[in-house]
Amino acid sequence: DTAVSQTPKYLVTQMGNDKSIKCEQNLGHDTMYWYKQDSKKFLKIMFSYNNKELIINETVPNRFSPKSPDKAHLNLHINSLELGDSAVYFCASSQGALGGETQYFGPGTRLLVL
Amino acid sequence: KNQVEQSPQSLIILEGKNCTLQCNYTVSPFSNLRWYKQDTGRGPVSLTIMTFSENTKSNGRYTATLDADTKQSSLHITASQLSDSASYICVVSAWGSQGNLIFGKGTKLSVKP
Repeated sequence: DTAVSQTPKYLVTQMGNDKSIKCEQNLGHDTMYWYKQDSKKFLKIMFSYNNKELIINETVPNRFSPKSPDKAHLNLHINSLELGDSAVYFCASSQGALGGETQYFGPGTRLLVL
Repeated sequence: KNQVEQSPQSLIILEGKNCTLQCNYTVSPFSNLRWYKQDTGRGPVSLTIMTFSENTKSNGRYTATLDADTKQSSLHITASQLSDSASYICVVSAWGSQGNLIFGKGTKLSVKP
């Protein structure tokens, strides 16, 4: 069984569209994250949720809105997609959010905005 | 500014050889340092995690070292295998960061037969 799964794996869409990426973890973790990996391979955190509550919200455009319906899911909705949104988006989870926990990453969603 | 810098940017070695990857950081206050392996097209996978009181930690053929005084870490890979070809990312966490990790750009390792 995949510990952290994301759908879709690939997403190609037109500028201006709205899209969602889903993430699910079956590890029983209470904290989930969204990261963006750009073309230079830099991983940068976008959001973090602990027990369904937002605890990290880095400088991300308002067009990005995370939603956590329960502890096992953290979805990412993106409005009015722009060319610069093209990247690989990784979901991750950990037990706790003090900073010392191992984060387990999903396989990534490759978003290409045309 | 919290930063993590890695060197070299890329490295090519022959199968069976050893190699060492470097990481320098300026994250403060320091909590822990991790090394992740990221295969092409996959998410990062944790190899080791060290707090400031730990100087070395091993995971199979991977050995990480940490010098909290000089803020440097290294990842040594012994008897490299083709499957070691991947990006190796140094990641540092600050106290109170609530899981906000600072990532290096990674070292892309290619192991050739």
